[in-house]
Amino acid sequence: DGGITQSPKYLFRKEGQNVTLSCEQNLNHDAMYWYRQDPGQGLRLIYYSQIVNDFQKGDIAEGYSVSREKKESFPLTVTSAQKNPTAFYLCASHLQGAGNTIYFGEGSWLTVV
Amino acid sequence: GEDVEQSLFLSVREGDSSVINCTYTDSSSTYLYWYKQEPGAGLQLLTYIFSNMDMKQDQRLTVLLNKKDKHLSLRIADTQTGDSAIYFCAEKGNNRLAFGKGNQVVVIP
Repeated sequence: DGGITQSPKYLFRKEGQNVTLSCEQNLNHDAMYWYRQDPGQGLRLIYYSQIVNDFQKGDIAEGYSVSREKKESFPLTVTSAQKNPTAFYLCASHLQGAGNTIYFGEGSWLTVV
Repeated sequence: GEDVEQSLFLSVREGDSSVINCTYTDSSSTYLYWYKQEPGAGLQLLTYIFSNMDMKQDQRLTVLLNKKDKHLSLRIADTQTGDSAIYFCAEKGNNRLAFGKGNQVVVIP
C-alpha cells in the first residue's frame, strides 16, 4: 500500500545526543515536510523540500538538520543544539502543483531523558 | 507571512451540529484545508476548499469560506462520538502549509 512511514514511533534520547527520525514515502511525491507539534500548539514547520537535493528552513529550523538524497526519503536529525526537543514530530508529503492532497505520517514521539 | 488562528475547545452533544472557526492572514492562499487528529496519531485530511469557492459540502461536512474576512469554518452535521478529535485548519501559500493551533472537539453522548 502507498503511504508515508515514520519511524520510530517512540524514541528516547539522552541529553547531548543526536537522533535521526526517518520518513519514507512510496507515493512518488515531490515535496516533503517536517513539522513539530507541542501540546496545545499547532504544527510548526521545521524544514521542507520541494525536490531531491534541495531543502529550505521552516520557522523553527534551529537545532535540526535534514537531507534529501532520495525522492522517497527525508530524514530529520534532532541535534544536541536543540534545547527543547521533546515533542511529537510529523512528516508530510505531496505532489507538486496546486491542490494536491497533502499526506501525513503517523508521527514520532521524541522524549529527552 | 502566514498566520492561522483558531479557537481552542468545543463540546457538543451527540447528534447536534458543531461549527469550528478559523481565520487566516495570507490572502494569496490557494487552498484551505481541514485536518482531523485523533490522540497520538498523524493528521487525516477531511476536506479542502479552493480559494475561489464559497462553500463545499462533503457528506456531513460543510466548509464555508469568506475571503473578504479571511474566515473559514467547518460544520459537522449529526456529530458522532467518533468525531471527537482535534481539528486543524491550514492554508497553503508559497508551497508551504501553515496550521492553526487546533480546536479540540469533545462529543458528549
